[in-house]
Amino acid sequence: EDKVVQSPLSLVVHEGDTVTLNCSYEVTNFRSLLWYKQEKKAPTFLFMLTSSGIEKKSGRLSSILDKKELSSILNITATQTGDSAIYLCAVDSNTGTASKLTFGTGTRLQVTL
Amino acid sequence: DGGITQSPKYLFRKEGQNVTLSCEQNLNHDAMYWYRQDPGQGLRLIYYSQIVNDFQKGDIAEGYSVSREKKESFPLTVTSAQKNPTAFYLCASSILKGTVNTGELFFGEGTTLTVL
Repeated sequence: EDKVVQSPLSLVVHEGDTVTLNCSYEVTNFRSLLWYKQEKKAPTFLFMLTSSGIEKKSGRLSSILDKKELSSILNITATQTGDSAIYLCAVDSNTGTASKLTFGTGTRLQVTL
Repeated sequence: DGGITQSPKYLFRKEGQNVTLSCEQNLNHDAMYWYRQDPGQGLRLIYYSQIVNDFQKGDIAEGYSVSREKKESFPLTVTSAQKNPTAFYLCASSILKGTVNTGELFFGEGTTLTVL
């Protein structure tokens, strides 16, 4: 059974701090690893990673995949209150053309003033 | 604007009743998905469909049924056989993966189903 584990489960930081969220996985056919941000209802896409060691970056957010360690990290620098959300990690293990994602339980991040 | 529309946002039903959740997309995506989210748990895949008139079971399909008669629509029926139907249901769609398509999922705003 495919499994995705995220840590920590929750985190409270002060505005301006840097945070690192972790994701590890055990899947039979790895295709890609994805990060989503869920603020209220609909998760929104952040990154898709397929190759080890190549950092994806978007503003203050960045992510990198380590296929040897079966893990990924999501970094957020200079956090803002708007970064407060649940961050979801998912792995696509489908060899077909549909995306069959297995999600972790998420990390709940709260950024305080 | 293109997007995924789920309705209703909130739904209350009595135990033993079937209920259908609506999901419509105008993104021209081929694939559509239904996920269930419970507090403290990740999203779990119920059903997915790659093309019209075809769909596959996900990890927790028991007690649910779907249809895909049109590319834009993928309704989910929660039947009385589902033991714990109270949950938050998310519909998603994606382009089919290929050499250029990345296949990430785009989500609707969700439906909260409460069975009394």
